[in-house]
Amino acid sequence: EAGVAQSPRYKIIEKRQSVAFWCNPISGHATLYWYQQILGQGPKLLIQFQNNGVVDDSQLPKDRFSAERLKGVDSTLKIQPAKLEDSAVYLCASSSPRYPGYTFGSGTRLTVV
Amino acid sequence: GENVEQHPSTLSVQEGDSAVIKCTYSDSASNYFPWYKQELGKRPQLIIDIRSNVGEKKDQRIAVTLNKTAKHFSLHITETQPEDSAVYFCAARYSGYSTLTFGKGTMLLVSP
Repeated sequence: EAGVAQSPRYKIIEKRQSVAFWCNPISGHATLYWYQQILGQGPKLLIQFQNNGVVDDSQLPKDRFSAERLKGVDSTLKIQPAKLEDSAVYLCASSSPRYPGYTFGSGTRLTVV
Repeated sequence: GENVEQHPSTLSVQEGDSAVIKCTYSDSASNYFPWYKQELGKRPQLIIDIRSNVGEKKDQRIAVTLNKTAKHFSLHITETQPEDSAVYFCAARYSGYSTLTFGKGTMLLVSP
């Protein structure tokens, strides 16, 4: 099966600019996650979707981060305006009810300067 | 919410030695515990997992043990090889939810 696709792989922006990341999960995976991984730390959940509905966004900094999953497939994560501390790898993952393990995408490495 | 602590943060071993990474979790209702391997610049990949109704699981050179009473689980790698060098993350899933909470990771370095 095809993996989780993410783009872009790398992005460098100046602080206060906006940026968007895209994710296409494994076909048939209803659950999609966005995680933030700061260098040297474990992934931290930002938001979880079940189909096109939000299940958990309690750790999403909603004043600057937003995410959507239209039609229950692809998802976009946006940051506006970006701060220096947003520099991290943004990982998208998906899972299916049959198996609890995640499949991660390759991630987007964001550098805010 | 769930909290996962992972130790050590770095682990250096000689090729052929065994390596053990330990994690503790806070919520006794957690029921699924995967381990991920992340090589530099690559995505985390699932290497082994265990459910709460099992005490131990093996897959060739890797094994995971779970002690529900003490709320800790461990990854064991035997006969380590240089290609085992990577960052390893443990995670826990609270029963009834699909979200994983990750530890901070262990950088394993295997010297030839």
